[in-house]
Amino acid sequence: AQKVTQAQTEISVVEKEDVTLDCVYETRDTTYYLFWYKQPPSGELVFLIRRNSFDEQNEISGRYSWNFQKSTSSFNFTITASQVVDSAVYFCALSEFMDTGRRALTFGSGTRLQVQP
Amino acid sequence: SAVISQKPSRDICQRGTSLTIQCQVDSQVTMMFWYRQQPGQSLTLIATANQGSEATYESGFVIDKFPISRPNLTFSTLTVSNMSPEDSSIYLCSVTDSLDYEQYFGPGTRLTVT
Repeated sequence: AQKVTQAQTEISVVEKEDVTLDCVYETRDTTYYLFWYKQPPSGELVFLIRRNSFDEQNEISGRYSWNFQKSTSSFNFTITASQVVDSAVYFCALSEFMDTGRRALTFGSGTRLQVQP
Repeated sequence: SAVISQKPSRDICQRGTSLTIQCQVDSQVTMMFWYRQQPGQSLTLIATANQGSEATYESGFVIDKFPISRPNLTFSTLTVSNMSPEDSSIYLCSVTDSLDYEQYFGPGTRLTVT
């Protein structure tokens, strides 16, 4: 069975600080996908990134960066120079093939990020 | 990318009644998923809905409580039956794209049961 752990329940930072959200996963599959989603107070889920298990290159998109390390089963997310608009709940998720061949997401419990002005 | 709409966006229902949530996608997709997000919690998969076959339910979810229809490749419904306050949640529809890589989510239906 797959599992995603986000140990940080809530993080509070002051604007312009850097912040890293941790994600640790468990899976027995060799092929899988990892995702990060943002859920602002309005409730919709905003897709941020997808990474497959064969691509360990780190990725940077503006102020966002992701560090994927298979050796430690981690897929951490860093926001540089945080802004108030970054305040949201962030979910890490894992997708692998199920016994019926379908692919569904297993979500972590989420990390609530509060960025204070 | 797939664009997903859900109806209703929110509803307040009385205990013991049922509510049907609609999910419409702007392109044909093989698999659609229904998730539940209870207040302050993460998302939990309810079931997978494949066109032309019965939905596959996750542990803890049963067809009598959450019947699902999938009449074609762009539409699905989830019914929350005989509701209780514990069913108060956001219900989200989700699809995978044609290459089965990205997973997109609808805006959600916020249900409150009184």
